[in-house]
Amino acid sequence: DGGITQSPKYLFRKEGQNVTLSCEQNLNHDAMYWYRQDPGQGLRLIYYSQIVNDFQKGDIAEGYSVSREKKESFPLTVTSAQKNPTAFYLCASSLTWTSGTSYEQYFGPGTRLTVT
Amino acid sequence: AQTVTQSQPEMSVQEAETVTLSCTYDTSENNYYLFWYKQPPSRQMILVIRQEAYKQQNATENRFSVNFQKAAKSFSLKISDSQLGDTAMYFCAFNAFMNRDDKIIFGKGTRLHILP
Repeated sequence: DGGITQSPKYLFRKEGQNVTLSCEQNLNHDAMYWYRQDPGQGLRLIYYSQIVNDFQKGDIAEGYSVSREKKESFPLTVTSAQKNPTAFYLCASSLTWTSGTSYEQYFGPGTRLTVT
Repeated sequence: AQTVTQSQPEMSVQEAETVTLSCTYDTSENNYYLFWYKQPPSRQMILVIRQEAYKQQNATENRFSVNFQKAAKSFSLKISDSQLGDTAMYFCAFNAFMNRDDKIIFGKGTRLHILP
C-alpha cells in the first residue's frame, strides 16, 4: 500500500535535547512538507522540499532543521533552539506543479512530541 | 497575498441534518485548486473533496458537495445526511498553479460536532 509513515506516534524528550522525527513516503512524490499543529489550531508550515537535496523555509522554520537526501525521506530535527517544541507534527507529500495536474497533499498520521 | 478565511470556528448539528461550512479566499490568480480536508479526532488529515477553478461544475463526493462561486471567491462545503463520523475539524485550502512553490494555504479550520 502506498502512503506516508511517521514514526514514532508519540515522542518524549527532555528540554535541551535535539530530536528527529521520521517521515517516509512511497508515493513517488517529489514534494514533501512538515507542518506544526498546536491544540485547536490550524497548520503552520515549517519546511518544504520540492526536490531531492533542496528545501525551503516555511513560516516557522526557526529552531528546526531538515534534510532531503532521498526522495522517499524528509526527516525533521527539532533543535534545542526551538522555544516551545511541544506540538503535533504532520508530514505531507504531493506531486509538484510540473506534473500539470491536481497536486493535493497526502498526510502521514502525525507525531505528538512532548518536551519537558 | 493569498489568504483563506473560514469564518465559523465551531458548529454543531444534529445527526442526519445538512450542514454547510463556509470558506472564502483571496487571490489574483485565475487558475488554482481548492480543497476541503477533514481531520477527525485521530488527527489523520483526509482529503474530502477537490475543485479545479477552471471547472464550472461543482465537485461532489457522495454526501459531500461544494458550492464554488469563483467571482465571489467562495468555496463552501455541504455535508448531507450528516453522520457521527463526520465529527471533525474541517480545513479549507487553496493552491495556485502559477505559484510554482507547491505550497497549500490552509484556513484556520471549522470544528464540526455531529450530535446524536
